[in-house]
Amino acid sequence: AQSVTQLDSHVSVSEGTPVLLRCNYSSSYSPSLFWYVQHPNKGLQLLLKYTSAATLVKGINGFEAEFKKSETSFHLTKPSAHMSDAAEYFCVVSDRGSSNTGKLIFGQGTTLQVKP
Amino acid sequence: KAGVTQTPRYLIKTRGQQVTLSCSPISGHRSVSWYQQTPGQGLQFLFEYFSETQRNKGNFPGRFSGRQFSNSRSEMNVSTLELGDSALYLCASSLGGGASAPTDTQYFGPGTRLTVL
Repeated sequence: AQSVTQLDSHVSVSEGTPVLLRCNYSSSYSPSLFWYVQHPNKGLQLLLKYTSAATLVKGINGFEAEFKKSETSFHLTKPSAHMSDAAEYFCVVSDRGSSNTGKLIFGQGTTLQVKP
Repeated sequence: KAGVTQTPRYLIKTRGQQVTLSCSPISGHRSVSWYQQTPGQGLQFLFEYFSETQRNKGNFPGRFSGRQFSNSRSEMNVSTLELGDSALYLCASSLGGGASAPTDTQYFGPGTRLTVL
């Protein structure tokens, strides 16, 4: 079975400093991994996805993530935080299971706070 | 291209009533998935429809049901509402075809906020 664990429920950084949101995954298959962001009272927006091509994945708004199979990790980083980055972030794995479906399994989320 | 739309955006119901939520996917997308988001349980998969057929179902009671129409629009229905059904219900659409389904990007709508009193 597939699962993801977000290691921090809350991360606080100062504007202009690096961001690191940690995610570990468990998958019986070659995983498809995603990071989504949710701003207050909004739907989910895709930041980036990994689907077994390059292990370093670049996304929107300066975010990137590195797939590390040996560590079963898919951490999200950004060199310099902006106030507008304050939101909830979800690490997600696609549940391949025994059939080809689009079911997504979400981590519990990490709330990113950006201080001025 | 228009995004995923969900109607209504907000609903208030009382226990025992039923409710129908609607989702219009991005044009050309054939897969529609539904998720429930609550503070306690986070985001949980309800079901997925592809070409009018339910392709996958999450671990929810039979009070939760859905369907998909030939134009890919989808509805979900919750009967005999309980207080615990209060949640944000999110719909996502994707191209959804065949072996690529697990890697497809899913695009989410803004959600329907359901409050059960």
